[in-house]
Amino acid sequence: GDSVTQMEGPVTLSEEAFLTINCTYTATGYPSLFWYVQYPGEGLQLLLKATKADDKGSNKGFEATYRKETTSFHLEKGSVQVSDSAVYFCALSVWDDKIIFGKGTRLHILP
Amino acid sequence: NAGVTQTPKFQVLKTGQSMTLQCAQDMNHEYMSWYRQDPGMGLRLIHYSVGAGITDQGEVPNGYNVSRSTTEDFPLRLLSAAPSQTSVYFCASSQGQGNQPQHFGDGTRLSIL
Repeated sequence: GDSVTQMEGPVTLSEEAFLTINCTYTATGYPSLFWYVQYPGEGLQLLLKATKADDKGSNKGFEATYRKETTSFHLEKGSVQVSDSAVYFCALSVWDDKIIFGKGTRLHILP
Repeated sequence: NAGVTQTPKFQVLKTGQSMTLQCAQDMNHEYMSWYRQDPGMGLRLIHYSVGAGITDQGEVPNGYNVSRSTTEDFPLRLLSAAPSQTSVYFCASSQGQGNQPQHFGDGTRLSIL
């Protein structure tokens, strides 16, 4: 079945470091791909999305490129801030069906 | 600008008790869903609804009931609480199913003793 695998956390970085959170997927069709972010005590919020191969989603300095050949959608940011500390979820949806989430990656940014 | 509102935020129950988690949205979204979030498990879909009067089961529906009498409200009922249902519960809504951005409430933290 369709699934999402993302790197386990926690990931701990210093402020201004480069961030990569890996995400790979398995899907029978042509999925849309998403990154959601969950700040402490809150629900998930959509961070960015990409709907077809080679699309790049971007928001708040974060980027992810839909790579069909490697079935990946890695999240990157060039310079992280303490305020980026949160849990990040990779997700997919095939043919506008239900959304499938990865298990989440907790990110800690040290000042 | 309420979005998705969940009540209560915290609840402690004894095994065997029943309760209803409330969820309301003011965005006129057709699609609503309930998830539970457990450590190391990510989000798992419990039940969902594609419109008023229509509900369906998700990945982990056992022990939970839902109904959708209005577009705005989608309550989740625990029939006889069990310790395995200790979790954080999130309600979400969207204009469509997975391809549309999901709008989440802030969650209900539920403990079953």
